[in-house]
Amino acid sequence: NAGVTQTPKFQVLKTGQSMTLQCAQDMNHNSMYWYRQDPGMGLRLIYYSASEGTTDKGEVPNGYNVSRLNKREFSLRLESAAPSQTSVYFCASSESSGGTDTQYFGPGTRLTVL
Amino acid sequence: QQQVKQSPQSLIVQKGGISIINCAYENTAFDYFPWYQQFPGKGPALLIAIRPDVSEKKEGRFTISFNKSAKQFSLHIMDSQPGDSATYFCAATPPGSGNTGKLIFGQGTTLQVKP
Repeated sequence: NAGVTQTPKFQVLKTGQSMTLQCAQDMNHNSMYWYRQDPGMGLRLIYYSASEGTTDKGEVPNGYNVSRLNKREFSLRLESAAPSQTSVYFCASSESSGGTDTQYFGPGTRLTVL
Repeated sequence: QQQVKQSPQSLIVQKGGISIINCAYENTAFDYFPWYQQFPGKGPALLIAIRPDVSEKKEGRFTISFNKSAKQFSLHIMDSQPGDSATYFCAATPPGSGNTGKLIFGQGTTLQVKP
């Protein structure tokens, strides 16, 4: 039982390049989330998927797109990377979209945009 | 307001001491307050959580104190150990999140427990 896995672990991009961050969970959870973590800013929600087939914007969605590929997988795409998107990205999942459900986080992807 | 403000930004405590991290919120409709613990290089993990209908919740050495009238809640770590050295995030579920799972996180506190 691997929990939440993320690939890649590290990535360096040049401004304007695109990339997709992959996330998968093996806990049969319905809800999945993408956060970014910046020093002094805590964790900020980018997009979430309350259930398979649905996605919605979080607090900081600009510059990102997501795809809920199936129940297990939720990807985050940067179409044209900018230095402001340098951050650590975390994917999380929860059993349902109930407000009190525990969110389980992956190990993160450290992204640098030059 | 949908913010959660956390303090201090960093904290150094001697082994065996008490670590205290504070959070404040403005929207009285927030209704669930979890704390997450993050070790370096890892993702956050749920540590302990409280609902606003109780004033305190204790799990082992970790206690959440909740003051609804002041709109504040805090994490107390008793008998702090070097293994508690981590970043701690408070969070709150904003109103209307019942079917979304959204959390608003505080800014984080980096705790160092010295041997």
